[in-house]
Amino acid sequence: EVQLVESGGGLVKPGGSLRLSCAASGLTLSNDWMSWVRQAPGKGLEWVGRIKSRTDGGTTDYIAPVQGRFTISRDDSKNTLYLQMNSLKTDDTAVYYCARVNSGRIDYWGQGTLVTVSS
Amino acid sequence: QSALTQPRSVSGSPGQSVTISCTGTSSDVGGYNYVSWYQQYPGTAPKLIIYDVTKRPSGVPDRFSGSKSGNTASLTISGLQADDEADYYCCSYAGSLYVFGTGTKVTVL
Repeated sequence: EVQLVESGGGLVKPGGSLRLSCAASGLTLSNDWMSWVRQAPGKGLEWVGRIKSRTDGGTTDYIAPVQGRFTISRDDSKNTLYLQMNSLKTDDTAVYYCARVNSGRIDYWGQGTLVTVSS
Repeated sequence: QSALTQPRSVSGSPGQSVTISCTGTSSDVGGYNYVSWYQQYPGTAPKLIIYDVTKRPSGVPDRFSGSKSGNTASLTISGLQADDEADYYCCSYAGSLYVFGTGTKVTVL
């Protein structure tokens, strides 16, 4: 059974940093394309970014609002995905989901972790 | 990349059919057959119900069906049931990134 478990969310001041983790079981993160998706309170889903599998180069892509501030990485020894978030803004307040991308669709999702950016 | 456009809400009585549209551009919906649909109940993670425009994952009832014409994809729920009441999101590959729809709340009257 595949499980994705996020952690690391919390309250942070504008301009601050936070690192989210996503521990995987039942799949090997280095073999998969993984994404982060966020959902602001009462709002819709927003795709944040993606890291390709190791065999596909492990490159990353991000949406414009987070480009240069957010970084997706992976620790293969821990089978864990990360989202490093710097220079946080109030607009970044959301539940952040870790998810597996499989040939154009997201087939596994974590339960989400809430990030609140507020002074 | 702008969000795909979905109606804010649709409703129907039990047993009826409802259709949700998802309008994008030739750079996303119209350019790829990687359109997927997700069902989300309040406070829970989304669940994949349609992928590659028309395919259903194992375990998803055949009451759910997808289609696409040009830059618009659609999700049809036939034989509406009470537990279909949820939020629905489309999603399309857009060349190196993905874009979600604005979301549609389905209400079962």
